[in-house]
Amino acid sequence: AQSVTQLGSHVSVSEGALVLLRCNYSSSVPPYLFWYVQYPNQGLQLLLKYTSAATLVKGINGFEAEFKKSETSFHLTKPSAHMSDAAEYFCAVTSRIQGAQKLVFGQGTRLTINP
Amino acid sequence: KAGVTQTPRYLIKTRGQQVTLSCSPISGHRSVSWYQQTPGQGLQFLFEYFSETQRNKGNFPGRFSGRQFSNSRSEMNVSTLELGDSALYLCASSPGTGVEYGYTFGSGTRLTVV
Repeated sequence: AQSVTQLGSHVSVSEGALVLLRCNYSSSVPPYLFWYVQYPNQGLQLLLKYTSAATLVKGINGFEAEFKKSETSFHLTKPSAHMSDAAEYFCAVTSRIQGAQKLVFGQGTRLTINP
Repeated sequence: KAGVTQTPRYLIKTRGQQVTLSCSPISGHRSVSWYQQTPGQGLQFLFEYFSETQRNKGNFPGRFSGRQFSNSRSEMNVSTLELGDSALYLCASSPGTGVEYGYTFGSGTRLTVV
């Protein structure tokens, strides 16, 4: 079964600094990978997805992620953090059960931006 | 284009009662999935419906059930509520059943069991 590990439940960066949120996956088949963001009292918003096309995926709000098969990683980055980026971020991988698919999420990383 | 609509947004129920949550997907989306989010267990898959058929079910007790109507709207029901059922319940819709489409999530229903 597929699984996801997000390294660091809390990450704190200064405004304008690089944001790096780490995600490693486990999958026996080529995966589809996703990053979602959740603001307080909100649902999940899709930031970007990897679906076996380009390994460098660009998303919304200046975020991007690189799929590295050799490292089984899909880390999320943003060159310059903004106060509005403060939220919880979830990495997810597909999981196939008897032909049907579902998302398997990591435990989430809470991003804090310091002024 | 309207997003995924979940009602109600907040709900308080007493242990032992039952509850029904509603989800209206994006127009034209035929797949609806439900997830439970708690601080301890994170985001866990409940079930997925496509064209009124349950295609996939997570590892939850039989007290959790759902259905989908011909207009793709979905409901989930939890019977004999327990304190541990307190959670944010998220609904997600997708055009089809392939995960490559991605999912659009609603804002969720916050259920508190007292």
